[in-house]
Amino acid sequence: SQQGEEDPQALSIQEGENATMNCSYKTSINNLQWYRQNSGRGLVHLILIRSNEREKHSGRLRVTLDTSKKSSSLLITASRAADTASYFCATVVEYGNKLVFGAGTILRVKS
Amino acid sequence: EPEVTQTPSHQVTQMGQEVILRCVPISNHLYFYWYRQILGQKVEFLVSFYNNEISEKSEIFDDQFSVERPDGSNFTLKIRSTKLEDSAMYFCASLGLPNTEAFFGQGTRLTVV
Repeated sequence: SQQGEEDPQALSIQEGENATMNCSYKTSINNLQWYRQNSGRGLVHLILIRSNEREKHSGRLRVTLDTSKKSSSLLITASRAADTASYFCATVVEYGNKLVFGAGTILRVKS
Repeated sequence: EPEVTQTPSHQVTQMGQEVILRCVPISNHLYFYWYRQILGQKVEFLVSFYNNEISEKSEIFDDQFSVERPDGSNFTLKIRSTKLEDSAMYFCASLGLPNTEAFFGQGTRLTVV
């Protein structure tokens, strides 16, 4: 079964707007992590939120976690063209250590 | 800032050949992983390694694959008798402690021709 599914699959916004991406998962988790991937490049870690946390901030990023709904959201405020990338959520299941990735959201920020 | 390094960045190999992908994890990390990403698809877990042995592997990680930590710094993925469908980006990751962030390398793009 899929663990960590993002929506939307693709998002196109204007520079300066906010971008919200959602992630749903199926089983209990230790933590949920968000990564960014520029086309054909490596995975850059953005933020980790643990199962006992509800919200975290890092610069222009805000992540929420709702364990009752098994969902998370990533908000990027005041988006820039440089934010254009694929964004993945990845979960670490309870009592585990491996990351299970979702299919990702392709974000395009138009200048 | 510490980082995971992978070599080579790009490898082209003939079908049926063996390849070894190399990774240098962050020095004090204890958990090591290999993932792969076929072009345009999601990142898939292959194998995790802890305390000098495989701790978990996916169904993708069959007898064609093996991992090794030959010394205190390197972590390798060997793919025997490569197939066209092995063409993908392969990522190494390391983790210091459970429930902390995993750091990924820049990946090796493997092309099997």
